[in-house]
Amino acid sequence: EAGVTQFPSHSVIEKGQTVTLRCDPISGHDNLYWYRRVMGKEIKFLLHFVKESKQDESGMPNNRFLAERTGGTYSTLKVQPAELEDSGVYFCASSQLGFDNEQFFGPGTRLTVL
Amino acid sequence: AQSVTQLDSQVPVFEEAPVELRCNYSSSVSVYLFWYVQYPNQGLQLLLKYLSGSTLVKGINGFEAEFNKSQTSFHLRKPSVHISDTAEYFCAVSEWGAQKLVFGQGTRLTINP
Repeated sequence: EAGVTQFPSHSVIEKGQTVTLRCDPISGHDNLYWYRRVMGKEIKFLLHFVKESKQDESGMPNNRFLAERTGGTYSTLKVQPAELEDSGVYFCASSQLGFDNEQFFGPGTRLTVL
Repeated sequence: AQSVTQLDSQVPVFEEAPVELRCNYSSSVSVYLFWYVQYPNQGLQLLLKYLSGSTLVKGINGFEAEFNKSQTSFHLRKPSVHISDTAEYFCAVSEWGAQKLVFGQGTRLTINP
C-alpha cells in the first residue's frame, strides 16, 4: 500500500510568486492534515480536512494560504503571494476516522522563498 | 492550550549505549501522547503511542516510553542504540477528542561508533 505522497519535494521561488503544494493521502483515509516546520522551530499544525470539509483551520497563518480538498481525495495548499517567512518544510499527514488518531506523514515539501 | 517541551535539542551517544530522550507536556485536559521519528530524507514515522492503560509503552525498533502523569512527562528510552537510530525524534500530544498534534521542538540523536 502506498504511503502519503507529496509533490514537489523541493520548491524554490521568489518573494511575491505563487506556489501550490500537493498531497495524496493513503487511499481510504478521510482525515488529511497539513503541518509546517519553519527552520529551527517545532512542527506546527495548519489545518485538518475530514473528506472535503475543513474541520479545523485554526493554524493557518493568514489569508495568503488556501487549502483545498476537492472530492475528498488529494489536497492542495497554495501560497499566494509567498513571503520570506513562508520558507520551511510542509508536511501532509492522513489518518482513518477513529479515536486513536495515528497519523501517517508524507516526506514533506521543502519550500524556499528568496 | 497545550505545549510540549523536548529538553534536549541534540543528544550524542556511543553505539550500544543506552539513551533517554526527554519530553514534558502541559495540558489542562487529558491527552494522547506520541513519539515520531524522522530519518534523513523521509517523513515522520510513528514509534509508539500512549492512549490509555499501562503507562509503559513499547514501540518499534526496541524503543519504549513511560507516561508519568504526575510529572507530565513521556520520556523515550532505548537500552542499546545502533548507528541506524540516527534521526530526529519528535514528541507530540493531542487532546482527547481533538485531531491535531502539538509537537515539541525535536531532538536530534547522533550515534558515534
